[in-house]
Amino acid sequence: EVQLLESGGGLVQPGGSLRLSCAASGFIFSTYPMSWVRQAPGKGLEWVSGISGSGDNTYYADSVKGRFSISRDNSKNTLYLQMNSLRAEDTAVYFCAKVRGSSRVNPFDIWGQGTMVTVSS
Amino acid sequence: SYVLTQSPSVSVAPGQTATITCGGNKIGSKSVHWYQQKPGQAPVPVVYDDSDRPSGIPERFSGSNSGNTATLTISRVEAGDEADYYCQLWESSSDHYVFGTGTKVTVL
Repeated sequence: EVQLLESGGGLVQPGGSLRLSCAASGFIFSTYPMSWVRQAPGKGLEWVSGISGSGDNTYYADSVKGRFSISRDNSKNTLYLQMNSLRAEDTAVYFCAKVRGSSRVNPFDIWGQGTMVTVSS
Repeated sequence: SYVLTQSPSVSVAPGQTATITCGGNKIGSKSVHWYQQKPGQAPVPVVYDDSDRPSGIPERFSGSNSGNTATLTISRVEAGDEADYYCQLWESSSDHYVFGTGTKVTVL
């Protein structure tokens, strides 16, 4: 079964750091681009960051560029999001999502269940 | 940055048709995808590439895309279709994925 399982969320103070993980199973992980998408409480979906299958290319939303870093370990079938200098507005459920096929034009066909990040003092 | 605009809400009686629009500059030249999200759950794709359906999605869900508007149509609406719906695309000039603002579908 194709599955994504996020972990690492929690409560962190403003200015703090957190690293999210997304464990993939049921597909050849290294083949597919992956992304992180977040959803603030009561709000819509916001794309956060993406990475190519090889990990050579990374992309960031303007709202997180310079603070967040996406990476992947294809030997461990795991996607990561390192979040630094966290702000209250980063509070959200963070989903990892797999791109269908190898092109960024393709949709997100598999999503994890999400992990909650709360930034508060 | 590229913006996708959706109407905030649509109300429809069971058995009727719900039409959800997604507006964007020359969106007809891009490949648009649609997701359904129920409370407390992850999004689920319901239409790929403007008008294709993933396996397991009923034929009642259909899509189109032309000019400055992409459209998701839900025919013969059922109570279980009540959810938030989001359009999404890849914007090549900025290397960004973009989501629409979302539409809440209420089944009366």
